[in-house]
Amino acid sequence: DTEVTQTPKHLVMGMTNKKSLKCEQHMGHRAMYWYKQKAKKPPELMFVYSYEKLSINESVPSRFSPECPNSSLLNLHLHALQPEDSALYLCASSQDKTGFSGYTFGSGTRLTVV
Amino acid sequence: AQSVTQPDIHITVSEGASLELRCNYSYGATPYLFWYVQSPGQGLQLLLKYFSGDTLVQGIKGFEAEFKRSQSSFNLRKPSVHWSDAAEYFCAVVSGGSYIPTFGRGTSLIVHP
Repeated sequence: DTEVTQTPKHLVMGMTNKKSLKCEQHMGHRAMYWYKQKAKKPPELMFVYSYEKLSINESVPSRFSPECPNSSLLNLHLHALQPEDSALYLCASSQDKTGFSGYTFGSGTRLTVV
Repeated sequence: AQSVTQPDIHITVSEGASLELRCNYSYGATPYLFWYVQSPGQGLQLLLKYFSGDTLVQGIKGFEAEFKRSQSSFNLRKPSVHWSDAAEYFCAVVSGGSYIPTFGRGTSLIVHP
């Protein structure tokens, strides 16, 4: 298995809703990442998990809450989002946190906040 | 701090023509260099990477890239473009210190039939 699987593919949520994005990989990668990507822009790093521990939080607002239940799963819990949070959310993994082997990205969750 | 420049926002080529996408980086030592491709509505896919060794690296989908230290460049090439190559292409740099890739702004490739 050489894929990163993200669910759901599309999500529409109101500003008072709570929802979660899910990411799964079975490549034995020990680093996992959440990225946010706006249209026509490069991806922006949000969080890095290394060996299931939060390694980097790029000053992301607390309405985004990551969770890494085990080495294969990564969640992103969403609460009280704003319309400007609408974006493509990408999960990625790499062999380790150096990222020197390159990243494997999922196909993303297209999030719309209304 | 490391930085990546992709000077071309859009590149238009005819199907079957050759392609070169430019990438320049700024970093003191030799960084780890990557090219990713993103088709519409999809995630990024790694095309190729370079750290050391042969400066001409081969990747997937018939792409290659050449590292030129003197020009701080890592340009992506393909001898004959297919319509399915239309996508956004991102160059990325990882330095030994931060481990976090810096992405270029991307180059949008348009392929005419």
